[in-house]
Amino acid sequence: DGGITQSPKYLFRKEGQNVTLSCEQNLNHDAMYWYRQDPGQGLRLIYYSQIVNDFQKGDIAEGYSVSREKKESFPLTVTSAQKNPTAFYLCASSGGGQGKDTQYFGPGTRLTVL
Amino acid sequence: GEDVEQSLFLSVREGDSSVINCTYTDSSSTYLYWYKQEPGAGLQLLTYIFSNMDMKQDQRLTVLLNKKDKHLSLRIADTQTGDSAIYFCAGLGGATNKLIFGTGTLLAVQP
Repeated sequence: DGGITQSPKYLFRKEGQNVTLSCEQNLNHDAMYWYRQDPGQGLRLIYYSQIVNDFQKGDIAEGYSVSREKKESFPLTVTSAQKNPTAFYLCASSGGGQGKDTQYFGPGTRLTVL
Repeated sequence: GEDVEQSLFLSVREGDSSVINCTYTDSSSTYLYWYKQEPGAGLQLLTYIFSNMDMKQDQRLTVLLNKKDKHLSLRIADTQTGDSAIYFCAGLGGATNKLIFGTGTLLAVQP
């Protein structure tokens, strides 16, 4: 089945540790995105990548880093510099055909800092 | 900056129609989307409308777009308990090409 996978579903981290969230897609999409969702709020864009080996900061990039070495993969690292990392993280991708900017989402990773 | 607003909560009875409203500020938005989020899950694309359309119907879903008032609505006919979820409106910014999300409307369907 074509789709977007995120792992793990739940992640626990101690303060001061870096942690990496995985996002993989087999939709052959060029663009990939990372969003953060906090309770009662909409989604906020962390980073996005429109093509392999290139990415741009979104609205809340501080304390996060990404890489895009392969078309299928867009991992997000939450660093110890992120002051309030507990949140639900969503990955999305878009590309191809009519409505090429339409974004499709993965199931999310819930990160909790202990 | 660009902004998308939605009411926070809507309660309906099973079998009734639900109408979820959204207003946006970016008049250059090219596409407008509706997503559904069930508890603990990602966002599921329900439908989208191109900015030069007034209406789009897809089975039980009807999207109405009033560009003059920058108002978008999603009507769900014959609402079922399985429709209970948070519904997000999002606009694709014409200048930025980024999706701007509303805060979401929680739809509660009473049996």
